[in-house]
Amino acid sequence: AQSVTQPDIHITVSEGASLELRCNYSYGATPYLFWYVQSPGQGLQLLLKYFSGDTLVQGIKGFEAEFKRSQSSFNLRKPSVHWSDAAEYFCAVGAAGGGNKLTFGTGTQLKVEL
Amino acid sequence: DAGVTQSPTHLIKTRGQHVTLRCSPISGHKSVSWYQQVLGQGPQFIFQYYEKEERGRGNFPDRFSARQFPNYSSELNVNALLLGDSALYLCASTYLPVSSQSYEQYFGPGTRLTVT
Repeated sequence: AQSVTQPDIHITVSEGASLELRCNYSYGATPYLFWYVQSPGQGLQLLLKYFSGDTLVQGIKGFEAEFKRSQSSFNLRKPSVHWSDAAEYFCAVGAAGGGNKLTFGTGTQLKVEL
Repeated sequence: DAGVTQSPTHLIKTRGQHVTLRCSPISGHKSVSWYQQVLGQGPQFIFQYYEKEERGRGNFPDRFSARQFPNYSSELNVNALLLGDSALYLCASTYLPVSSQSYEQYFGPGTRLTVT
């Protein structure tokens, strides 16, 4: 069964500082990987996705993520955080041929200090 | 274009009651999935429907059921509500068929269900 681990429940960074959110997945084959962001009271917005090809993927709002098969990781990064980035971030894995089922991690709550 | 819409926004029910949540996918999207997000957790997959047929089911009791209509909108039904059913219920729609390599999902704002 597929699973996702986000080891950091809360992260606080200063505005303008760099950010890295960790995600480790467990899946037997090549996974489909996603990062979503959720603001309070809102649904999920897709930041970026990895299906195949280049292991460094670019997303919206200046985010990027790198797929590392050897480490089973898909960490999210941003070089300079803005106060509006404060939200909860979810990493998710989907299975090829597994339809639309996504398995999510428990999320990382990002706080940005001004 | 309108995104995924869900109704109602909020709902308060009593234990033992029944609830129906509704979802309208993005125009042209034929697949709808439902997720339950308990406070402090990530969303958990409940159902997926494509072309009005159930294509996937998560680890939820039979009290949970769903259906998809000819216009691709969907309903999630929960019977005999328990306190533990209190959660944000998210609907997601997808344009491409299930067999496609790319199944980017677009989420609605959710329905907040509180069971007292």
